Amino acid sequence: AQSVAQPEDQVNVAEGNPLTVKCTYSVSGNPYLFWYVQYPNRGLQFLLKYITGDNLVKGSYGFEAEFNKSQTSFHLKKPSALVSDSALYFCAAAFYNQGGKLIFGQGTELSVKP
Amino acid sequence: EAQVTQNPRYLITVTGKKLTVTCSQNMNHEYMSWYRQDPGLGLRQIYYSMNVEVTDKGDVPEGYKVSRKEKRNFPLILESPSPNQTSLYFCASSVLGGEQFFGPGTRLTVL
Repeated sequence: AQSVAQPEDQVNVAEGNPLTVKCTYSVSGNPYLFWYVQYPNRGLQFLLKYITGDNLVKGSYGFEAEFNKSQTSFHLKKPSALVSDSALYFCAAAFYNQGGKLIFGQGTELSVKP
Repeated sequence: EAQVTQNPRYLITVTGKKLTVTCSQNMNHEYMSWYRQDPGLGLRQIYYSMNVEVTDKGDVPEGYKVSRKEKRNFPLILESPSPNQTSLYFCASSVLGGEQFFGPGTRLTVL
């Protein structure tokens, strides 16, 4: 079955340090991959996406993600974390060539401390 | 302003009382979708639509209905709500293959 996994419920990082939020997927075919962020009491906002091409994708607010086909991973990264990055992050995979289904991971709570 | 709107934002109801949550987008998007968000489970897709009169089941369609009679609207219908449908619901839209634009969410409580 197709699935998206975020193995860490919570990631704690000190401000100024690099951060990584992990995402792996188990799918057939070539999914479109996305990262979204949800701030407290807010809806979800798009950060970045991968469809094809360069394995390193740059997105909003200084975030980037690295697509690794052999490891079926799409980890979110940022070189220097900010306290304002603290939020809930979701990885998602879409299958537009298989009907349009979209699967989200469970979410990772990122906490950046000063 | 490009946006996805949902109504109502908050709803408390009782078991078995039919309800509809409306969703509307003004971006001429082909794709629309409903999700529910529950702690520890992330977002789970309920139904999606790739165009007018085309709808399909997501991962958790039981107990829900949708319709897509117009491109801009995608209402979510709960014919006979039950307490396990208490959740935070999001509507979203996108161009095919593009990022989802999410509505503000509807917090539903079924007593």
